[in-house]
Amino acid sequence: AQRVTQPEKLLSVFKGAPVELKCNYSYSGSPELFWYVQYSRQRLQLLLRHISRESIKGFTADLNKGETSFHLKKPFAQEEDSAMYYCALSGPAYNTDKLIFGTGTRLQVFP
Amino acid sequence: GAVVSQHPSWVICKSGTSVKIECRSLDFQATTMFWYRQFPKQSLMLMATSNEGSKATYEQGVEKDKFLINHASLTLSTLTVTSAHPEDSSFYICSASATGQGFYEQYFGPGTRLTVT
Repeated sequence: AQRVTQPEKLLSVFKGAPVELKCNYSYSGSPELFWYVQYSRQRLQLLLRHISRESIKGFTADLNKGETSFHLKKPFAQEEDSAMYYCALSGPAYNTDKLIFGTGTRLQVFP
Repeated sequence: GAVVSQHPSWVICKSGTSVKIECRSLDFQATTMFWYRQFPKQSLMLMATSNEGSKATYEQGVEKDKFLINHASLTLSTLTVTSAHPEDSSFYICSASATGQGFYEQYFGPGTRLTVT
């Protein structure tokens, strides 16, 4: 079954500390992986997708097919990074680009 | 950028009544729209995929007769919660799919909070 697992509900760090939000997936085939972010009182928005291999707001994520992981990393966290982060996948098995979301990790960055 | 709106942003209704939620893509045409449900402090659960001009595809466990979806145009999809009950109280979010920079991307609405009393 297709599944996205985010093991941490809450991750708290101090400003300037490195951050890694974990994401593991279960999918038979070649999925497309995403990270979405939801800032306080704002709508969900795309942060990055593995296929574009971009770094957005200092965040990067590498797809590791061997470990079926897509962890989100940032070397130096900022207070404005505090938000809810969702890992999601879609894949060619779907006729449309429907997304399966993980349960989310709340990142708190303290000053 | 692509903007998706939802109306209303919140609604309170009595048990047994029906509520309609609108999802509009404001500056682009969306052949596909998605409806999600989010419980407090939980993830988004896909309810259905809505394609313009055709019947919606519902996820397993979602009652299609209770959650009526209509996608009458390329910019509007509606979700009607029929005969609402308190357990239908939730945050309903829609998204619209568009192609940007060669990739499909889902743009999300701000959500509608439904409270059934």
